Amino acid sequence: DVKVTQSSRYLVKRTGEKVFLECVQDMDHENMFWYRQDPGLGLRLIYFSYDVKMKEKGDIPEGYSVSREKKERFSLILESASTNQTSMYLCASSWGKETQYFGPGTRLLVL
Amino acid sequence: GNSVTQMEGPVTLSEEAFLTINCTYTATGYPSLFWYVQYPGEGLQLLLKATKADDKGSNKGFEATYRKETTSFHLEKGSVQVSDSAVYFCALSNNNNDMRFGAGTRLTVKP
Repeated sequence: DVKVTQSSRYLVKRTGEKVFLECVQDMDHENMFWYRQDPGLGLRLIYFSYDVKMKEKGDIPEGYSVSREKKERFSLILESASTNQTSMYLCASSWGKETQYFGPGTRLLVL
Repeated sequence: GNSVTQMEGPVTLSEEAFLTINCTYTATGYPSLFWYVQYPGEGLQLLLKATKADDKGSNKGFEATYRKETTSFHLEKGSVQVSDSAVYFCALSNNNNDMRFGAGTRLTVKP
């Protein structure tokens, strides 16, 4: 079975802190994705990556950056956390346009 | 661009009732269509999918048929159970490897 793991289930940070969210997949998938999930808005794509060191902006990249140094790992970085970044963050991976496999999510609270 | 519109929730049903959650899409070309389910406290997991017109995806008693003429992929189940309580997301994936999700429909099934 495909496994996608995320570094934390819950995080509490203060405004202005730098936040790292990490995601690891074990199926050699070429594509990896970061979404945020907010009530009534569904999933919104922040960034995705289709290869090591490659990244593409999604719909809402402002305030975020990403890093993909190894194929299995995709990190989301909040350079200076703000309260409007309080959300559930979901990582996913896939081959091409096929099924995406999701991690359990990280619920981030920024105070 | 590509987009998905799904029925707003929440939906509350009694056990053994019939379920329909409507989903329509806008896309160029020939997208693949998906239904994902998110149980409380978890990430999304694939429920079923269809990759071409007239295909029917099915899993765990749920079904959805890819209707190109009506650009729809409605989710149905003949007899829901309490354990089906979750949030359901319709999604499409096209040639550019990213997936578009609907806003999600929360289903609650009461005994």
